[in-house]
Amino acid sequence: DQQVKQNSPSLSVQEGRISILNCDYTNSMFDYFLWYKKYPAEGPTFLISISSIKDKNEDGRFTVFLNKSAKHLSLHIVPSQPGDSAVYFCAARGYSGGGADGLTFGKGTHLIIQP
Amino acid sequence: SQTIHQWPATLVQPVGSPLSLECTVEGTSNPNLYWYRQAAGRGLQLLFYSVGIGQISSEVPQNLSASRPQDRQFILSSKKLLLSDSGFYLCAQTRAGPVGYTFGSGTRLTVV
Repeated sequence: DQQVKQNSPSLSVQEGRISILNCDYTNSMFDYFLWYKKYPAEGPTFLISISSIKDKNEDGRFTVFLNKSAKHLSLHIVPSQPGDSAVYFCAARGYSGGGADGLTFGKGTHLIIQP
Repeated sequence: SQTIHQWPATLVQPVGSPLSLECTVEGTSNPNLYWYRQAAGRGLQLLFYSVGIGQISSEVPQNLSASRPQDRQFILSSKKLLLSDSGFYLCAQTRAGPVGYTFGSGTRLTVV
């Protein structure tokens, strides 16, 4: 049972435009959501997070939106830059699996920024 | 600051050979440690986690094992590798402060 779903394996966006990456979840007990960015042959790096008590968190070009009623979150990147090309993982914490700290990851979305 | 060291960066091993991947952490004590595998098209799969020395929890049945001989050392092993063990292996630790992990740089394992 996949509790965190990223239904788009890849996304292509033109440089300078907005990139929107989506993530859906099924467990209403998740209390924290995170986005990680991963380049090939490197470990994922933390990008931005949001608590379940908030609906928006912004950090520079990156904004995460949380819609709890729809069990949906999205990552907005604006403007998109070539260096944003990477795989983006959505993760959620809920102490229902995912190890001692309870993080469950989606399968990732490969974002490609086209010049 | 917290740092995770993983080695080797790449590894090519024949089927049936043993495996030992090492992960060490710096800048923290008593971390929760994790082994993940990223296989093609399958995202990040949690393999093992450890909350302390000698304490290992396995998330999925498989051909691999893990050990934590010291507080800051986490080892992933296999006695006989299978082709299906190929993938990108990542070590991670819980980071201090906000929720989330710090990942190592990973090991690309190819079993031939």
